[in-house]
Amino acid sequence: NAGVTQTPKFQVLKTGQSMTLQCAQDMNHEYMSWYRQDPGMGLRLIHYSVGAGITDQGEVPNGYNVSRSTTEDFPLRLLSAAPSQTSVYFCASSRSGSSGNTIYFGEGSWLTVV
Amino acid sequence: GESVGLHLPTLSVQEGDNSIINCAYSNSASDYFIWYKQESGKGPQFIIDIRSNMDKRQGQRVTVLLNKTVKHLSLQIAATQPGDSAVYFCAEASGTQGGSEKLVFGKGMKLTVNP
Repeated sequence: NAGVTQTPKFQVLKTGQSMTLQCAQDMNHEYMSWYRQDPGMGLRLIHYSVGAGITDQGEVPNGYNVSRSTTEDFPLRLLSAAPSQTSVYFCASSRSGSSGNTIYFGEGSWLTVV
Repeated sequence: GESVGLHLPTLSVQEGDNSIINCAYSNSASDYFIWYKQESGKGPQFIIDIRSNMDKRQGQRVTVLLNKTVKHLSLQIAATQPGDSAVYFCAEASGTQGGSEKLVFGKGMKLTVNP
């Protein structure tokens, strides 16, 4: 997981609270993405960005907000946490035209909403 | 919507056996597929990939086969080792700007290798 840093690694939230998951990469990658992974499931795309100032929705965007003010950072905001957002969150980054072995994933952020 | 899915949720094999993990996809326009391995508590780890202009690609102890006619791909692991125990996912790169910004993952299959 070279170069993609996610914080925090673990977080417990109460329903209705807001928080931001941080993702940073130091590889000057254009592309960054956020995924969530529920138990026994594959990763699902929440939001993605193809460059600074450009973001778009993925498969499951509701309840999440993103921004990309710099190339390095791609924070994911939970506006009003719900138990359904209990999940593991992964950030990924890559260059344009990357093949699979150059898509870098962070180590994950475990979020529990009670 | 389009999806990528796996046929088998679990597979248990003996050390030294060959393992085959299958995956079906539904988007006939897909042109790039990736297999990932995920160990407990970690992020996805790249294993091998294949583009739609190929039927087969080999790596170290792994082979991916792509059958576009039936929209199916498989991952073959030769001489499976205990260290291969993990959950395996296929993923389709669906982004319009190169693909890597949008991955569609299958549900995953847990491989257990018994010594």
